[in-house]
Amino acid sequence: QQQVKQSPQSLIVQKGGISIINCAYENTAFDYFPWYQQFPGKGPALLIAIRPDVSEKKEGRFTISFNKSAKQFSLHIMDSQPGDSATYFCAPRDNYGQNFVFGPGTRLSVLP
Amino acid sequence: GAGVSQSPSNKVTEKGKDVELRCDPISGHTALYWYRQSLGQGLEFLIYFQGNSAPDKSGLPSDRFSAERTGGSVSTLTIQRTQQEDSAVYLCASSTRTGYEQYFGPGTRLTVT
Repeated sequence: QQQVKQSPQSLIVQKGGISIINCAYENTAFDYFPWYQQFPGKGPALLIAIRPDVSEKKEGRFTISFNKSAKQFSLHIMDSQPGDSATYFCAPRDNYGQNFVFGPGTRLSVLP
Repeated sequence: GAGVSQSPSNKVTEKGKDVELRCDPISGHTALYWYRQSLGQGLEFLIYFQGNSAPDKSGLPSDRFSAERTGGSVSTLTIQRTQQEDSAVYLCASSTRTGYEQYFGPGTRLTVT
């Protein structure tokens, strides 16, 4: 299966700090780059997404930075809050097959 | 409006039995996906339906797994002769025809004893 890598595997941040999660991919047919947030016992929910024609997108405290040449994109969470504690997945979409390839996930813990 | 629903929420079955998992997508969504999530792991793609097109079954792990979608709406994932390694949360998602934003259901937790 197409490889999507995330780092770090887990992250602990103090309240108010910045959380940064990275995603690296190999497939050049990916055409949509979302981040999903998942709380225990729930299905993932779309957090923020970017298309490859822009390098950055910001929505509130959440920012995606996209580096097409390096085949990487990252999620930045500013002013992290305990309520942000969850598992985050990158899941780029394959334009050819129209399916999504999920990364292994990053478990974020924000300490109060 | 109503989101994606899945039933049952939990299923415990004995090894060797068949199970059926159901997904009701958001009304009007033409695309439907099934994923498997093992404990503490990422999501593994299983199968994708888009409208009346032939499904993409490339993610199904073995011929014990099958899925159908009736009338372009409700989908059923069937696992025959269940094995312990089938224990996982099975997630369903739907999206519009353009297929970019997926909406996930709460999942079905399958335990094979």
